[in-house]
Amino acid sequence: QQQVKQSPQSLIVQKGGIPIINCAYENTAFDYFPWYQQFPGKGPALLIAIRPDVSEKKEGRFTISFNKSAKQFSLHIMDSQPGDSATYFCAASFGINNNDMRFGAGTRLTVKP
Amino acid sequence: DVKVTQSSRYLVKRTGEKVFLECVQDMDHENMFWYRQDPGLGLRLIYFSYDVKMKEKGDIPEGYSVSREKKERFSLILESASTNQTSMYLCASSATNYGYTFGSGTRLTVV
Repeated sequence: QQQVKQSPQSLIVQKGGIPIINCAYENTAFDYFPWYQQFPGKGPALLIAIRPDVSEKKEGRFTISFNKSAKQFSLHIMDSQPGDSATYFCAASFGINNNDMRFGAGTRLTVKP
Repeated sequence: DVKVTQSSRYLVKRTGEKVFLECVQDMDHENMFWYRQDPGLGLRLIYFSYDVKMKEKGDIPEGYSVSREKKERFSLILESASTNQTSMYLCASSATNYGYTFGSGTRLTVV
């Protein structure tokens, strides 16, 4: 059962563009929504995360927008660079131990020079 | 720099072999996880552990078992490897209420 649906599967943008990756979840008990970035040959690395008490969080060029009523959240990358080319995963979990984190299927982002 | 270390980057095993994948973390995290990553399917949870000698099944535990004898080490065991277990295996750890730290993965090929 895929509790977190991620789109698009792949995305190509020009340098300086603003790629947007979207995720939707089903379980209203989720209370922690991280994004992970994975480069080839590496494990995913935590990029940015949000909790449902806020609608937006920014860290550098990365922004999460969160819509609790629609059960959707998205990642925006401002002024994208070729070095941002990677696979991005959204995820959702609940509970103090985050033991049941559900991941989206991933988006392969390519930023062209 | 905190780390999750997976003992092998690449493994090739034969069908029917018993396979051990090892994972060690140096962050004193309570929670450890094993995922497999397949194209188009994202990360799927195999097993997790929230304490020494404790284990819980994830979404796809069939054909796998785990062992956690020490806090820092979490092993994934393929009892009798099959070709459909060819995949990238990712170990992760986390402290309570924080995101996961992943290892670099083990790409297992079963022939």
